[in-house]
Amino acid sequence: AQSVTQLDSQVPVFEEAPVELRCNYSSSVSVYLFWYVQYPNQGLQLLLKYLSGSTLVKGINGFEAEFNKSQTSFHLRKPSVHISDTAEYFCAVTPNQAGTALIFGKGTTLSVSS
Amino acid sequence: GAVVSQHPSWVICKSGTSVKIECRSLDFQATTMFWYRQFPKQSLMLMATSNEGSKATYEQGVEKDKFLINHASLTLSTLTVTSAHPEDSSFYICSARDRRNDEQFFGPGTRLTVL
Repeated sequence: AQSVTQLDSQVPVFEEAPVELRCNYSSSVSVYLFWYVQYPNQGLQLLLKYLSGSTLVKGINGFEAEFNKSQTSFHLRKPSVHISDTAEYFCAVTPNQAGTALIFGKGTTLSVSS
Repeated sequence: GAVVSQHPSWVICKSGTSVKIECRSLDFQATTMFWYRQFPKQSLMLMATSNEGSKATYEQGVEKDKFLINHASLTLSTLTVTSAHPEDSSFYICSARDRRNDEQFFGPGTRLTVL
C-alpha cells in the first residue's frame, strides 16, 4: 500500500518570499507523484506531476518539484510567492499501473501575506 | 485539456432523503472513475472505484448500501447518497481516468448539506 505524508499542515509566508512544501511517500512499488492545488470551495487543479524521466518537474504558476527516490520525497517549491498562491496544496501518489486511485496527503495550507 | 463535470455543484436536502450526484467526462472516455469525500479542512478520502459495466469497489468503512455507485457508460458515473443524514454532509469529488493515456482528471466537486 502507498501512503503520503505532508510534513507541514500550515505554512505562512510573506509575499515574494520563497516557499517549500514538503511531501514524503511510502510505497513498495514504483509510483507516480502529483501536486494539486485547491482554492476555497473549488475542486482540484493539477500543478505538476512526475511520471518518469527528469527528476525536476516544472508545473503551472511557477511551481516546481523534485523527485528524490532515495529520500522518497517530492517537495514542491516556488522561488517567489504571490498573495494569489494562498490555497490548500495536496501531494498525491499512485502506483504506476492502470486503474488505480490517487492516495492523498493531508494537505498543506499555504498562507501568503503582504 | 480533458474536462470532468459534476452535477449538481451544490445541494441541500432534508435528512432521510436521497441525493444523486453525476460525474461526466465531457471529451474523453473513462473506463474508471473514482469517488472521493472531503470533510472541511481535511484531505480527500477515496470512497470507491467505479469501473464501467461492473460493480464498484468500495474502500473499507464505506457503506455500499448507503453510497450507491452506478457507472452505466464510459462517460457517466453516479453516486447516490441514500437516506442522507447530517453526518453525510461533505464535499464529494469525482475523478475520471482517460482510457487513452491513463491520466486522471478531477471534477469540480459537489457540496452536499443535509439538514
